[in-house]
Amino acid sequence: AQKVTQAQTEISVVEKEDVTLDCVYETRDTTYYLFWYKQPPSGELVFLIRRNSFDEQNEISGRYSWNFQKSTSSFNFTITASQVVDSAVYFCALTPPDNTGKLIFGQGTTLQVKP
Amino acid sequence: ETGVTQTPRHLVMGMTNKKSLKCEQHLGHNAMYWYKQSAKKPLELMFVYSLEERVENNSVPSRFSPECPNSSHLFLHLHTLQPEDSALYLCASSQDSKSSYNSPLHFGNGTRLTVT
Repeated sequence: AQKVTQAQTEISVVEKEDVTLDCVYETRDTTYYLFWYKQPPSGELVFLIRRNSFDEQNEISGRYSWNFQKSTSSFNFTITASQVVDSAVYFCALTPPDNTGKLIFGQGTTLQVKP
Repeated sequence: ETGVTQTPRHLVMGMTNKKSLKCEQHLGHNAMYWYKQSAKKPLELMFVYSLEERVENNSVPSRFSPECPNSSHLFLHLHTLQPEDSALYLCASSQDSKSSYNSPLHFGNGTRLTVT
C-alpha cells in the first residue's frame, strides 16, 4: 500500500527564517513520482514540483529547494528566507504507477509566516 | 479565462436538497477529477474521467453522481447528502489520466460545501 506522512501539522516561523517541511512516503513500487503542492487561503492547489523515483538530485528553484532521499523514503521541502506570502498549507503527494492519475496526499502542513 | 474554474465557491444545502457542482477547464486537458478535502483528513480522490469516460470511482456513495458531458466540463450532482459530507470539493484536470507522470494536476479553487 502507498502512504504519505507529513508529521508536522502546523509550523510557525518569523519572516526571513528558513523552514523545512518533512515528507515521508511508503510504497513497494520501484517507479513512482513525488509532488509538492501549495494551497493558499484561496483554496486551489498550486503545483510546485514533481520528482521521479530515479532522480535523486536535489532541486533548487529560487527560495525553494527539495531534498529527495530514497534511502530514507523522504522528500523534504525547504523554504529559505521565508515570506508572509509563503503562508499556506503544503501537501506532499505520491503517484503510484497505475494509470488513473491518482495522487495520494499527505495530511498537509500548515505554514504560518509572521511578519 | 484560463485554468480550472469551479462554481459555486460556497454552497449550503439541506439533507433533502439536490444541487450540482460545476467545473470547467480551459487548458485543453483530457482528464478531469473530483477530490474531497475534509478537515483533518488527506485529500481523497473521488472520480476520474478520461475523454469523458469514467475510469475510476473510488468507492464513493451513490448520493454523489458525477457527469462529464465533454472534456472541458465536469459536474458533481448531489442528492440526499449527510452532514459529514461537508467539505471542500476540488476539481482538477491533467493532460490525460495515463500520463500523470508527465502532467501534474491543475486544481480549481474548490467549492466549500456545508450540509445542514
